[in-house]
Amino acid sequence: DTAVSQTPKYLVTQMGNDKSIKCEQNLGHDTMYWYKQDSKKFLKIMFSYNNKELIINETVPNRFSPKSPDKAHLNLHINSLELGDSAVYFCASSPPRKDGSYNEQFFGPGTRLTVL
Amino acid sequence: EDQVTQSPEALRLQEGESSSLNCSYTVSGLRGLFWYRQDPGKGPEFLFTLYSAGEEKEKERLKATLTKKESFLHITAPKPEDSATYLCAVQAYETSGSRLTFGEGTQLTVNP
Repeated sequence: DTAVSQTPKYLVTQMGNDKSIKCEQNLGHDTMYWYKQDSKKFLKIMFSYNNKELIINETVPNRFSPKSPDKAHLNLHINSLELGDSAVYFCASSPPRKDGSYNEQFFGPGTRLTVL
Repeated sequence: EDQVTQSPEALRLQEGESSSLNCSYTVSGLRGLFWYRQDPGKGPEFLFTLYSAGEEKEKERLKATLTKKESFLHITAPKPEDSATYLCAVQAYETSGSRLTFGEGTQLTVNP
């Protein structure tokens, strides 16, 4: 009964390669996110989708491209991987807002990407 | 730009030794402040949401409070299983979508 799942959990690859990380949530949420956590544990948002529509697109290199085939899935494709892309990438989801208040985000287990 | 600063960076406690973690924030207009717990090798786990100054929430040995400039996470009589990194995050009214701005976390270690 995993709520937010990511695959793979670990990804080791060479510089210059292209790779994808997949995320799925079975919570029925409308909004999904990608975060990057660097070696200092600092979590920073990269993208957010609401009902398959991109609503947050932070200043990340064009090599990163999110894709949402439906509202339960949000994938992250990375082209021409660089050493600095090594980090843990987290997917998250949140339910629709109620009465203007903000609902908490639920995180997946993370994908540790190592670029050699 | 929204900013979140957490202190201390690391905290070591003996089992049963109560203490507090601090989260100072600067936002244009606070919609919500969130506390998460993160265990090694796992994703952040939601703990609390606070919306307005003066609000308090409790869960087991944890109590979160909020003022106009900061939030505290009080840990009463901690146990070794409370060891984790505690993350604070804010969302502002003026930010687009559902963006959370996180602090760098406080790594808590509780020794038996």
